[in-house]
Amino acid sequence: SQKIEQNSEALNIQEGKTATLTCNYTNYSPAYLQWYRQDPGRGPVFLLLIRENEKEKRKERLKVTFDTTLKQSLFHITASQPADSATYLCALDSAAGGSYIPTFGRGTSLIVHP
Amino acid sequence: KAGVTQTPRYLIKTRGQQVTLSCSPISGHRSVSWYQQTPGQGLQFLFEYFSETQRNKGNFPGRFSGRQFSNSRSEMNVSTLELGDSALYLCASSAVFDRGATEAFFGQGTRLTVV
Repeated sequence: SQKIEQNSEALNIQEGKTATLTCNYTNYSPAYLQWYRQDPGRGPVFLLLIRENEKEKRKERLKVTFDTTLKQSLFHITASQPADSATYLCALDSAAGGSYIPTFGRGTSLIVHP
Repeated sequence: KAGVTQTPRYLIKTRGQQVTLSCSPISGHRSVSWYQQTPGQGLQFLFEYFSETQRNKGNFPGRFSGRQFSNSRSEMNVSTLELGDSALYLCASSAVFDRGATEAFFGQGTRLTVV
């Protein structure tokens, strides 16, 4: 069956360090992989999208890698700040019914300590 | 540009009742999707509407239904509520770009509590 796995344990890091979150998937052939940020009681907010033929994508302090052989994406936040504390969700786009529907992992909570 | 607006923000209903949730997408977005989010299951896809037609449907019972109007606004209905329907219901509108990739813009959600 199809699975998207994100570490269910919270990631605790010190301010200024690089946070690395992992998204593994099985039985998917995604065309795209996306990362979202979600704060408590709010809807997810889109951060980055990476295509299947891209290895790496950057945006300011964020970097995403996508390894379709390992079936894994890594999400990095450099120079992390307490304001980066949130839950981060990965989502795979699978073609269905003429459109791409993102399927989400359960997310990993990131806590950045000052 | 206004974001995705969901109403109401909070709702308390009794088992057996029905509920209707509303979503106004970003102007110009024709695709609206609905998700259910619970601590145990994460974000689960309910259905997607595009130009007033249901284009995709997740694995939920028929008690969950929706519709989309000509102005792209969407409603979601849950009939015969069960305690397990308590969740955060999220609506997302999408802009399609570059070979079909979608960036989903989510609303704040409606927190439904069934007692």
